[in-house]
Amino acid sequence: GNSVTQMEGPVTLSEEAFLTINCTYTATGYPSLFWYVQYPGEGLQLLLKATKADDKGSNKGFEATYRKETTSFHLEKGSVQVSDSAVYFCALSDRGSARQLTFGSGTQLTVLP
Amino acid sequence: GAGVSQSPSNKVTEKGKDVELRCDPISGHTALYWYRQSLGQGLEFLIYFQGNSAPDKSGLPSDRFSAERTGGSVSTLTIQRTQQEDSAVYLCASSRAGEGYEQYFGPGTRLTVT
Repeated sequence: GNSVTQMEGPVTLSEEAFLTINCTYTATGYPSLFWYVQYPGEGLQLLLKATKADDKGSNKGFEATYRKETTSFHLEKGSVQVSDSAVYFCALSDRGSARQLTFGSGTQLTVLP
Repeated sequence: GAGVSQSPSNKVTEKGKDVELRCDPISGHTALYWYRQSLGQGLEFLIYFQGNSAPDKSGLPSDRFSAERTGGSVSTLTIQRTQQEDSAVYLCASSRAGEGYEQYFGPGTRLTVT
């Protein structure tokens, strides 16, 4: 079955530091890949997505590249801000009939001023 | 426009009671999903509705859980004879049909079984 393995947290960084959150996946076909973010007290929001190999998703300074050869979709940001403090979830959606999301365990990011 | 809404936002119930959780998807979204977010299990898929097709119930953890979607819009998730391990945040999401469409999540219902 499908699975997503995500870097364990929590992660604490100083403002303007570089962020990487690792994500690898196992899927039978060619899934779509997503990063969702959950800010404190808020619901899950899509941060970025990539639907095929070598696609790069980007949003709000965050980027992730769909790497089929390494089955990875690592999240990066060059300079984090305090407002980026949240829980980040990597997820995949396969191309079967249901397309439900399979999530990683989530990574808590805290950015200190 | 309006997003996905869920009610109630919080529900405290006694073990053994039945509960109903409601989801109003975004207008025009034909796909609707229920997920559960709990400390021990993370985010888990429960059930999926697409238009008038039979729902995919493969994620439901036991036969105490059921869901329906009336008129292709509002959905209700019912948990019968609640147990303490059912305590979690229940999330609903909706999307347009087809490949690559984003799932939009509601704020969730926090269920506490005492």
